[in-house]
Amino acid sequence: GAVVSQHPSWVICKSGTSVKIECRSLDFQATTMFWYRQFPKQSLMLMATSNEGSKATYEQGVEKDKFLINHASLTLSTLTVTSAHPEDSSFYICSAREMTGTHKGNEQFFGPGTRLTVL
Amino acid sequence: GNSVTQMEGPVTLSEEAFLTINCTYTATGYPSLFWYVQYPGEGLQLLLKATKADDKGSNKGFEATYRKETTSFHLEKGSVQVSDSAVYFCALLNQAGTALIFGKGTTLSVSS
Repeated sequence: GAVVSQHPSWVICKSGTSVKIECRSLDFQATTMFWYRQFPKQSLMLMATSNEGSKATYEQGVEKDKFLINHASLTLSTLTVTSAHPEDSSFYICSAREMTGTHKGNEQFFGPGTRLTVL
Repeated sequence: GNSVTQMEGPVTLSEEAFLTINCTYTATGYPSLFWYVQYPGEGLQLLLKATKADDKGSNKGFEATYRKETTSFHLEKGSVQVSDSAVYFCALLNQAGTALIFGKGTTLSVSS
């Protein structure tokens, strides 16, 4: 099946530092990747949608200068949380979608998530 | 706008009990509907889906029927197992196919 990985799975950082989270599609080319944020006992909230080679589209209320998204290749998207603060602590989940090939269609395949803790 | 409402948890059941997790939605057009499952420490996995009215999605003994008249997509299983303990999310894909909207999730805990 379609596998999506995230790295790191858990990161703890000091307030004011920047953290990069990677999302990789391991066995398919992801033309579109999505970044979600999940608060404890809450739903997943879509933060942004990124298409390979173009700028990400951010959802209303998400600061694009705070959450930098890069989708430079068909198998890798990165989310950088800049100048992280304790309120940025959350579970960040990516998903990927393939528009052509074996897994084409609207189905999104999810990564295992990255837990960010900002001290 | 589009939204998904699912029953509050946690749901606690004994093994072999019948499970229902309610899900209703609000959407323009005819969205596709999904149930995702998140096992402890893992990412979301697609459990089942339905793309049009009266479709029934099924997988691993779970079923859900797309009811347009009641805008519902309730998840059912006739006999739950301890291994079904997880968080279940109902979701819809907007008609444009550009966004997945999730419910808040329902935690299921099954004891032997």
